[in-house]
Amino acid sequence: QVQLVESGGGVVQPGGSLRLSCAASGFRFRNYNMHWVRQAPGKGLEWVAFIRYDGNDEYYADSVKGRFTVSRDNSKSTMFLQMNSLRTEDTAVYHCAKDSGRDLYTLDYWGQGALVTVS
Amino acid sequence: TVVTQEASLSVSPGGTVTLTCGLSSGSVSDSNYPSWHQQIPGQAPRMLIYSRNIRSSGVPDRFSGSILGNKAALTITGAQADDESDYYCLLYVGGGIWVFGGGTKLTVL
Repeated sequence: QVQLVESGGGVVQPGGSLRLSCAASGFRFRNYNMHWVRQAPGKGLEWVAFIRYDGNDEYYADSVKGRFTVSRDNSKSTMFLQMNSLRTEDTAVYHCAKDSGRDLYTLDYWGQGALVTVS
Repeated sequence: TVVTQEASLSVSPGGTVTLTCGLSSGSVSDSNYPSWHQQIPGQAPRMLIYSRNIRSSGVPDRFSGSILGNKAALTITGAQADDESDYYCLLYVGGGIWVFGGGTKLTVL
């Protein structure tokens, strides 16, 4: 079965950096686009970033563009989110999510998330 | 681009409720690939509906998706207590960008 496990969350000061990882299993990772989504405490879901299956294309929400970078290592079935110049408003649970593929443009499996606190 | 949802709705057990999802820039269409995701607080979201009206595997048929007027819609027919949850719509707005709605908190009482 599909499993997505995030790690690397923690507490960081404003202006600092953090790198999240998402370990994937149960599907052919190299064939699927992937996403990051976050949820601030008590708030709704916010789409953050997308990376193409081969790592050759990325897109970002305006709120993180220029500060966050998504990447992946298909040999290790792992996706990453490098977060720089962190702000207090970046405090959230960060979920990785698998794209559904088949040109369906949605997210069909989610990880439990990693908490990032900027304070 | 802002995606709008009702902040909260309530439904009686066995009743029917419709949640909607609108787009600030115009009408929601199939080219936005509307999908619906359920989240029980403290848990990861779960995809319910994709491509407007296709139920994900294992999703009860009391959940259905559609486009009503200029909005995407999620209808729950015969609501059950365990449908009490937060529901989010997700739209693809083009250019490699996706946007979630603000979420609807559904109460079954």
